[in-house]
Amino acid sequence: IAGITQAPTSQILAAGRRMTLRCTQDMRHNAMYWYRQDLGLGLRLIHYSNTAGTTGKGEVPDGYSVSRANTDDFPLTLASAVPSQTSVYFCASSATSGGADTQYFGPGTRLTVL
Amino acid sequence: GQNIDQPTEMTATEGAIVQINCTYQTSGFNGLFWYQQHAGEAPTFLSYNVLDGLEEKGRFSSFLSRSKGYSYLLLKELQMKDSASYLCAVRDNDYKLSFGAGTTVTVRA
Repeated sequence: IAGITQAPTSQILAAGRRMTLRCTQDMRHNAMYWYRQDLGLGLRLIHYSNTAGTTGKGEVPDGYSVSRANTDDFPLTLASAVPSQTSVYFCASSATSGGADTQYFGPGTRLTVL
Repeated sequence: GQNIDQPTEMTATEGAIVQINCTYQTSGFNGLFWYQQHAGEAPTFLSYNVLDGLEEKGRFSSFLSRSKGYSYLLLKELQMKDSASYLCAVRDNDYKLSFGAGTTVTVRA
C-alpha cells in the first residue's frame, strides 16, 4: 500500500536555486493539491488540479508552478527559491474535488531555503 | 475567502472529554472537515459534516450549525495517543479547502 509519496523528505536549498518537489499517488484520484504549512498559519493551498491536464491557483501561488501531465504525478516547482519559502510542503489527493471525498495527504517535504 | 478560528491549545486528562470549537466566516460553504495531525506527520481525516447536526464515529463526534458558522469536535475517553493537533477545514463553493491554524491537544496522565 503506497497511497501518496513525496520526494525528497527534506532539503536545504540556497536562495535563487530552482527546486522541484515530487508527488505521486497510486489511488487513481482525479484531484491533487499542494499545501504549505507554517507555524501558526495552518495549511495554505498553493495550487490544485481537479483532473489531469488542468491546474488552478490557490491562496498562495506566487513563486510556485505546477503541472499535471497525467493522473498520478503532480510536481511543484520553485523557479527561484527565497527564504520565505522555507516551510513544510504537503501534497494531497482526493477521488474528486466534491461530495464527501476526503483529501489524503502525503508525508510532507521539509524545505529550508538559506 | 474564509476566516476560520479555533483555539490554539487545550489540555485534558486521560479518560476525560474535550470539545474543540471552530467558527468560520465564509463566502461559500460546501462542507466542513476535521483532521488529526501528530507532530511531524501528515494530517489524517477524522470527520465530515455538510448538514446540520451531529456525526458520531466511535470516540469522536463532530457537530455542525451552518446558520451559526460553528462546528465542534468532541473527543471522548481521551487516550495518550490523542495528543495531536486538530485541524478544522471548510470547503468553499469552488471545492477548495481552507484550514484553521489548528488546536494542539495535550493529554496528561
